[in-house]
Amino acid sequence: EVQLVESGGGLVQPGRSLKLSCAASGFTFSNYGMAWVRQTPTKGLEWVASISTGGGNTYYRDSVKGRFTISRDNAKNTQYLQMDSLRSEDTATYYCARFGPGVRANDYWGQGVMVTVSS
Amino acid sequence: DVVMTQTPVSLPVSLGGQASISCRSSQSLVHSNGNTYLHWYLQKPGQSPQLLIYRVSNRFSGVPDRFSGSGSGTDFTLKISRVEPEDLGDYYCLQSTHFPDTFGAGTKLELK
Repeated sequence: EVQLVESGGGLVQPGRSLKLSCAASGFTFSNYGMAWVRQTPTKGLEWVASISTGGGNTYYRDSVKGRFTISRDNAKNTQYLQMDSLRSEDTATYYCARFGPGVRANDYWGQGVMVTVSS
Repeated sequence: DVVMTQTPVSLPVSLGGQASISCRSSQSLVHSNGNTYLHWYLQKPGQSPQLLIYRVSNRFSGVPDRFSGSGSGTDFTLKISRVEPEDLGDYYCLQSTHFPDTFGAGTKLELK
């Protein structure tokens, strides 16, 4: 059974940093691209960042480029999202998602982790 | 970015009835390789989104055949026949043809 478990969320002040983790199990992690998607009541679902199987290729939405860094450790079956210079508009539930190459979409999602940026 | 417009915002249905959700994109979703990367998700209350339909009309693993997707170009439809209680929730379309991936704003399927 595919499982994705996020951790690391919480309350953080504007301008500070937070690092999310996503532990994967139930599939060969190194064979799949991965992504982070966030959700807010006002903006809905937004793709945030993606990373290739080996980690050599990364992609970001414009609003987080230069502030967020996606990475992965295939030996630990874990992906990460380092979030720096956080802003109030980054407040959201963040989901870890697996990218299914056959479906060419995010086919499995974690349960999500809440990030609140507020003073 | 490609704008995905879903209608209706809310869709009251009766159990056993049929539901139809529309998704329109601001530009064609036909990729240069000929494929169309339009997908549908269901987010049940308190849960994360789950993939229902990929590439317009393909049901994902374990998805019952009550769910069907159709469409082409910029106009797409998700149909749910014989609605069951576990079908209630928020439905989203997603395009992954053009960078970045973009989602529709959602359609809430609720009991009439």
